[in-house]
Amino acid sequence: GENVEQHPSTLSVQEGDSAVIKCTYSDSASNYFPWYKQELGKRPQLIIDIRSNVGEKKDQRIAVTLNKTAKHFSLHITETQPEDSAVYFCAATPTGTASKLTFGTGTRLQVTL
Amino acid sequence: DTAVSQTPKYLVTQMGNDKSIKCEQNLGHDTMYWYKQDSKKFLKIMFSYNNKELIINETVPNRFSPKSPDKAHLNLHINSLELGDSAVYFCATSKPGQGANEQYFGPGTRLTVT
Repeated sequence: GENVEQHPSTLSVQEGDSAVIKCTYSDSASNYFPWYKQELGKRPQLIIDIRSNVGEKKDQRIAVTLNKTAKHFSLHITETQPEDSAVYFCAATPTGTASKLTFGTGTRLQVTL
Repeated sequence: DTAVSQTPKYLVTQMGNDKSIKCEQNLGHDTMYWYKQDSKKFLKIMFSYNNKELIINETVPNRFSPKSPDKAHLNLHINSLELGDSAVYFCATSKPGQGANEQYFGPGTRLTVT
């Protein structure tokens, strides 16, 4: 089955700096890669996703890049703000098992003033 | 107005008891899931139903039994609760279509087994 590794487990940045979280996956058949943000005590919420037919996607201050050859994908947050502090999860799912998301272990991002 | 709702929000119970968690969605989605998030925040799929039919059943003890009475509801019944069952259980839904789609999570049910 799919295995997703995520790094770092914790990340502390100063407000205004950029943050990068990286994930690797094992199943070359995976074709959908979402990123979820989970604030303390809240539900995971999708912030951005990418499919295997594109290499990069942006939405305001967040962007995701995908390298299918290397089986890597990354989340980039620019101009970080205190409200970006949360746990971020990457996930991947292979073709044919469309519903089965395998999540990374999460990155706790702390944005300090 | 809530898209995916769960009851109860908190559940405290003793070992050996049987309990149920309920999930309801008003998004009209065909697929519903149960996830378990443990104390280390690991988020892992347990079950998935599509149109009331079980399509994903991960390696979960058979003390856990999902049930989907209709497309809008997916319940989780747990027998003989153990300490290790303490976790936050999230229900989620996704719309049908080719390939995978965004999953919408419910607010979670925090289960504490004492």
